[in-house]
Amino acid sequence: SQQGEEDPQALSIQEGENATMNCSYKTSINNLQWYRQNSGRGLVHLILIRSNEREKHSGRLRVTLDTSKKSSSLLITASRAADTASYFCATDASDQGAQKLVFGQGTRLTINP
Amino acid sequence: NAGVTQTPKFQVLKTGQSMTLQCAQDMNHEYMSWYRQDPGMGLRLIHYSVGAGITDQGEVPNGYNVSRSTTEDFPLRLLSAAPSQTSVYFCASSLVGSSNEQYFGPGTRLTVT
Repeated sequence: SQQGEEDPQALSIQEGENATMNCSYKTSINNLQWYRQNSGRGLVHLILIRSNEREKHSGRLRVTLDTSKKSSSLLITASRAADTASYFCATDASDQGAQKLVFGQGTRLTINP
Repeated sequence: NAGVTQTPKFQVLKTGQSMTLQCAQDMNHEYMSWYRQDPGMGLRLIHYSVGAGITDQGEVPNGYNVSRSTTEDFPLRLLSAAPSQTSVYFCASSLVGSSNEQYFGPGTRLTVT
């Protein structure tokens, strides 16, 4: 079953604007990760936030995690056409050291020039 | 480093045929896994391995077999292909343990007629 649910399913904005995607999950987690997938390609890891962290930054990316609400958000600032892709959140809830990621359905982001 | 490689890129099978999807990584990662991605959905874990000789089932293991005889290779076998196995298959690898990003291969697009 899909643990993560993402919102919105699709998002279309103008270049230069900020894009925000949300992810909700159901169980306690070790960490939450965000991945990007360009059309027809594999997934690329963007950022990981541990369950004891509340906010993390990486370049133009900002991720927040609220474990009380079981939700996370990914903010992409000053968007570029190259940011057009699908974005997935993935949660790791394994207790055995083997990272078994459970993915959300993804948000399809389109940046219009 | 080539990273994670998958072959073939595309495959068409008839119902009942068997085949092996190949996955190899050259990063000396202990953890390897197989996911499938269906249209409009996130990835779902099929099987995973935490090291040579050790494999375990993920969320959707039925109809698939894996083995891990070396650290580098993690083939996925379809025993008797069914139309429900039409999907894009991704292999991923990482270091064992939580908080490690996973590296994905480019995917194999499989159609079963």
